[in-house]
Amino acid sequence: QSVLTQPPSASGTPGQRVTISCSGSSSNIGRNTVNWYQQLPGTAPKLLIYSNNQRPSGVPDRFSGSKSGTSASLAISGLQSEDEADYYCAAWDDSLSGWVFGGGTKLTVL
Amino acid sequence: EVQLVESGGGLVQPGRSLRLSCAASGFTFDDYAMHWVRQAPGKGLEWVSGISWNSGSTGYADSVKGRFTISRDNAKNSLYLQMNSLRVEDTALYYCAKDNALSGELLDDSWFDPWGQGTLVTVSS
Repeated sequence: QSVLTQPPSASGTPGQRVTISCSGSSSNIGRNTVNWYQQLPGTAPKLLIYSNNQRPSGVPDRFSGSKSGTSASLAISGLQSEDEADYYCAAWDDSLSGWVFGGGTKLTVL
Repeated sequence: EVQLVESGGGLVQPGRSLRLSCAASGFTFDDYAMHWVRQAPGKGLEWVSGISWNSGSTGYADSVKGRFTISRDNAKNSLYLQMNSLRVEDTALYYCAKDNALSGELLDDSWFDPWGQGTLVTVSS
């Protein structure tokens, strides 16, 4: 049972816009910034979004992040086949004094 | 180019110990905090432990507290994870990751980038 809650799966067709939600609490997302990581099949996780809505250099602007209250969202517009991956949200948890992750969302491009 | 290369994984019996290493290159290692994150087969990511730039601060997940010890040798640009009293549920791919807080401290508004390729630990009799 992960501290942050994500839907286990999401899907879309090429060109569509999909969103992935991440629900937390006042001790994590409610007080701290959210990061998103992308894990392509068989590879290590890669930073996708940091500080709620910032994209590292090299990440396409099709990816965007937002946060409101105790929830966060990752949006992917203009979906492409290479976006098929697992996506994880993460935040610091003040009560646990540690980093917590969502359970991950497997994105399928139909 | 920043590189993190983990090593030391393998098959170990329950109750035994193992020490993981992470060799860092391409950045000033002693400027940054570092972390270990694991992923059980077919499961999600779990933060295991973090250490500040000068080893002054460390943090552990409840699941490993008292059994695992994180350390670093800045002279060797290396991060370590000493794992004692291993359990079957510790079986996972262990990644090391660089923290991005410029202070080098363990802060709540940082992020992990990049990650190594991981080293597999299998705990089984």
